Parts: sequence; structure tokens; C-alpha cells
Amino acid sequence: GAVVSQHPSWVICKSGTSVKIECRSLDFQATTMFWYRQFPKQSLMLMATSNEGSKATYEQGVEKDKFLINHASLTLSTLTVTSAHPEDSSFYICSASPGQFNSPLHFGNGTRLTVT
Amino acid sequence: GQQLNQSPQSMFIQEGEDVSMNCTSSSIFNTWLWYKQDPGEGPVLLIALYKAGELTSNGRLTAQFGITRKDSFLNISASIPSDVGIYFCAGPTTSGTYKYIFGTGTRLKVLA
Repeated sequence: GAVVSQHPSWVICKSGTSVKIECRSLDFQATTMFWYRQFPKQSLMLMATSNEGSKATYEQGVEKDKFLINHASLTLSTLTVTSAHPEDSSFYICSASPGQFNSPLHFGNGTRLTVT
Repeated sequence: GQQLNQSPQSMFIQEGEDVSMNCTSSSIFNTWLWYKQDPGEGPVLLIALYKAGELTSNGRLTAQFGITRKDSFLNISASIPSDVGIYFCAGPTTSGTYKYIFGTGTRLKVLA
């Protein structure tokens, strides 16, 4: 149980284009999903908390107009990297929890974004 | 803000050896989670701890919730090549919002 699916697993795009990444909870409903970013050989950095039916909460230093988050249903959150640039190249991972506060997070398999 | 520091940063061990790593914080946590991440994949939950002093096992893995609630330990017994990866601890922030922060990670390499 508690399976999180992320798509695509990798994407290459040209500078200036936008890329959408989907995160789905397959066997549970998630009112909250989390988006992380990970640079090579570094830890996971929380970008934003996605809340179903309301605006996402962004961490300090994360541009909300750059990283658009939509949590349209209890099983789907999307992250759109707008006008991507090479410095946006990274590993993006979503996570969700089937439970309440303090319940463990379950992660998707991540999306490797490369902007050329 | 709250931070989680893991040590060691990396370790190379021989297959069959036992491994110990820890995670420490300057502030108290109510939950400790341990994850393993393989290259190019998302982290996978190994063990969740909810109570100070709690000791929980998952196969060859054993984790403990420190008595002070400011640290946690993960032990791997009789390591095998597939134990290679990065191990992260994580805990929920106590800032009033529901979110988790992750430790700096321990990179494990097992030599056959």
C-alpha cells in the first residue's frame, strides 16, 4: 500500500519551454503532497507543500511563479516548471502520506529534468 | 531553523560487516523516519519511530529513537552489496505546519 507514482521519470527540454510533472497517489487519498528538489550528492530540499483545493505553500527562496503547483484532486498534484533554464536542471521528487500529522511520507520515483 | 545532521557522511565497508549511522538535531523531534535512496530513484521508507527509546527492526535493519528525542540511530547487520545507497533520516517540523525535513545523508558503499 501507499504507492506514489510520478511521471515522467525523465525529461529533456529546451531553455524557455515549460515542463509539467505529475504526482499521483495510487491507493490512497492525499490532501497534502510535497515537492522536493535534489541536486547531485545532496539531500532533499523541500520546495513546496501542495494542498488539495487551495494554494500551495512555498518554502523560502522558491519562486512560486517559476514552479507552479496545482493540486486538483485528492490523488493528483502537478508541478510545472515554467520558462525552464539550465539551472532548473535537477531531480524533482514528490511525496505524500495516507495518514495524518507525523505519518510517514511515501515518495514517487522522481523526475530527472535536463534543460538544454 | 531545525536541522538534521547525519554521520558519517560516507562509509566503505566489507560485505558481511555491521554498519552504524546516526542522525542528530539541536531540537526535539516527535517522529524519526529512516529512508534509503538508490541512484536515480525516490527514497524508500525503511523504519518509522514514534516514541523516545523505541527500538524497531526491519529485517537486518534496526533503528532507535534516542531518549533525548534529539537523535536516532540506524544499524545494518551483515551488510550485503544491495545495501549500497544513501540513507536519510527525516523528521516532521514543529513549526506548526505539517512538513518533513531531511538529514544530510550517509552514503554507504559495500565492497564484495
